[in-house]
Amino acid sequence: DAGVTQSPTHLIKTRGQHVTLRCSPISGHKSVSWYQQVLGQGPQFIFQYYEKEERGRGNFPDRFSARQFPNYSSELNVNALLLGDSALYLCASSLVLGYTFGSGTRLTVV
Amino acid sequence: KQEVTQIPAALSVPEGENLVLNCSFTDSAIYNLQWFRQDPGKGLTSLLLIQSSQREQTSGRLNASLDKSSGRSTLYIAASQPGDSATYLCAVNYNFNKFYFGSGTKLNVKP
Repeated sequence: DAGVTQSPTHLIKTRGQHVTLRCSPISGHKSVSWYQQVLGQGPQFIFQYYEKEERGRGNFPDRFSARQFPNYSSELNVNALLLGDSALYLCASSLVLGYTFGSGTRLTVV
Repeated sequence: KQEVTQIPAALSVPEGENLVLNCSFTDSAIYNLQWFRQDPGKGLTSLLLIQSSQREQTSGRLNASLDKSSGRSTLYIAASQPGDSATYLCAVNYNFNKFYFGSGTKLNVKP
């Protein structure tokens, strides 16, 4: 079985631009969560979606948004990028217990 | 406010040594706790998941324990190998909604 798939793997954007990150969960997993990991720190929770509904939101500005599609894949959108948005963005999926993480998207804002 | 602390932040040991990584959390009403491994620039690999009703879980050379009353979990690695070198992250789940992560312990196992 394929694991959690994220695309793209690396991305360079300019301040003020918009970015869309994509995640495909493990087949059958209905819950998808997004995390931001800044260098040297543990991941910080951004969003959780379950059955296409938002179930949780972390302490991130409204520039961050997400959605989940009928096939349970998900997108994370970030508007008006700031230098501080540079990080590894991780997607995780879950069936019942525990989470499986993807390899992440490395976003660099210049 | 839920906080997760991992001590030590970094650890360097010779190959073959047994070692313990520590994780503490402020709110003991957890749903479950999961230990992850992260290699540089990579995603997270799940090592062990402990439910709130469990005291420990084992997988190979790894053993994780949970003491909810004291707000602590430990990850024990037996007979460490250079391939164990990575950052180990503890994540606490309170309501099947989101994980709170510690900052990790960076482990270096010297040949």
